[in-house]
Amino acid sequence: ETGVTQSPTHLIKTRGQQVTLRCSSQSGHNTVSWYQQALGQGPQFIFQYYREEENGRGNFPPRFSGLQFPNYSSELNVNALELDDSALYLCASSLKAGIEAFFGQGTRLTVV
Amino acid sequence: KNEVEQSPQNLTAQEGEFITINCSYSVGISALHWLQQHPGGGIVSLFMLSSGKKKHGRLIATINIQEKHSSLHITASHPRDSAVYICAAQGGSEKLVFGKGTKLTVNP
Repeated sequence: ETGVTQSPTHLIKTRGQQVTLRCSSQSGHNTVSWYQQALGQGPQFIFQYYREEENGRGNFPPRFSGLQFPNYSSELNVNALELDDSALYLCASSLKAGIEAFFGQGTRLTVV
Repeated sequence: KNEVEQSPQNLTAQEGEFITINCSYSVGISALHWLQQHPGGGIVSLFMLSSGKKKHGRLIATINIQEKHSSLHITASHPRDSAVYICAAQGGSEKLVFGKGTKLTVNP
């Protein structure tokens, strides 16, 4: 049990819809990173938030957006869902960028 | 070419065997992570190292900064060790760059 909680655990959406995934970071952790893991692949970095500000972004289109709240919990929003967005979405929290990260169980998103 | 390469992709072992998983990276790093992912998807951090060797129970991780290579060893493997093992390089931007993972199956 890492103390990082993601919700929901599973989700099915239709192409074109919008989705919001949530992550509650471990207590005191002010840095949250989001990753997308397609089937059979390693996770790919989407973006990182540090103290409510975006602190780095991977190679993902603008329809992937995020938010971090004052309590350091975070959301990942994806607009105009595409079939290829089907993946496991992982969030990881750390006390600060660059030190050990703790991962949540992930949200498995299926776009049909 | 991936910035982080792991080998082998798949590994099957008998209970009790000594296991080695290798990771090579082409980027400059501040740290190298070894992670374990079970079928449900959740990831557990095993090691974070920037030099030398770390040991935790039956797991040992080593890193050679000059050769840009790291290994994860499992001694006296057990079926409960069956999982996907992923190495991830942490560069200057602090994001993690992951390998594709090594699927380990340990048979009783």
